[in-house]
Amino acid sequence: AQTVTQSQPEMSVQEAETVTLSCTYDTSESDYYLFWYKQPPSRQMILVIRQEAYKQQNATENRFSVNFQKAAKSFSLKISDSQLGDAAMYFCAYRSGGATNKLIFGTGTLLAVQP
Amino acid sequence: NAGVMQNPRHLVRRRGQEARLRCSPMKGHSHVYWYRQLPEEGLKFMVYLQKENIIDESGMPKERFSAEFPKEGPSILRIQQVVRGDSAAYFCASSGQVYEAFFGQGTRLTVV
Repeated sequence: AQTVTQSQPEMSVQEAETVTLSCTYDTSESDYYLFWYKQPPSRQMILVIRQEAYKQQNATENRFSVNFQKAAKSFSLKISDSQLGDAAMYFCAYRSGGATNKLIFGTGTLLAVQP
Repeated sequence: NAGVMQNPRHLVRRRGQEARLRCSPMKGHSHVYWYRQLPEEGLKFMVYLQKENIIDESGMPKERFSAEFPKEGPSILRIQQVVRGDSAAYFCASSGQVYEAFFGQGTRLTVV
């Protein structure tokens, strides 16, 4: 069975600085997708970034980028120029490459942004 | 295009009562997923449904929990004889043909 591990329960960053959130996963599949979701206090789950395992190039979305190390099964999220609105719980998630969109989530990292 | 709609947002039930949580997927989406988030934890998959069919219920507790997604109307997650341990946030997500699931805002169930 697939598992997702986030080893940092909490992180803190100064406004305008850069922070990296860690995620590792375990799978025997070769075709899969990885995601980072943001959950602010409103509880809404917001998709931040997505990575297809077959792509070697790391995904980037504005200030958000990932470091995808397939052999090491590592998928970290880098937030550049951190903003107060980035403060939230961040979840790493795994999805198999089949037809289902069933997601397996990590336990989350609570990010605080200091002004 | 309205997003995934869940209602109610908050639900309080006494122990032993039934809880019904509703989820209307995004327009054109025929796949619905239910997740449960216990306090201080990540989301855990419960069940995956397509119209009128349960595709994967590997995360559903064996007793008291059921889900449906009828041909017409919203998907329903039903919890019978609720207990304190059922208190959690329940999220619904929907998807179409693409590999992205869109989440609703969740229903926070409190059992007193």
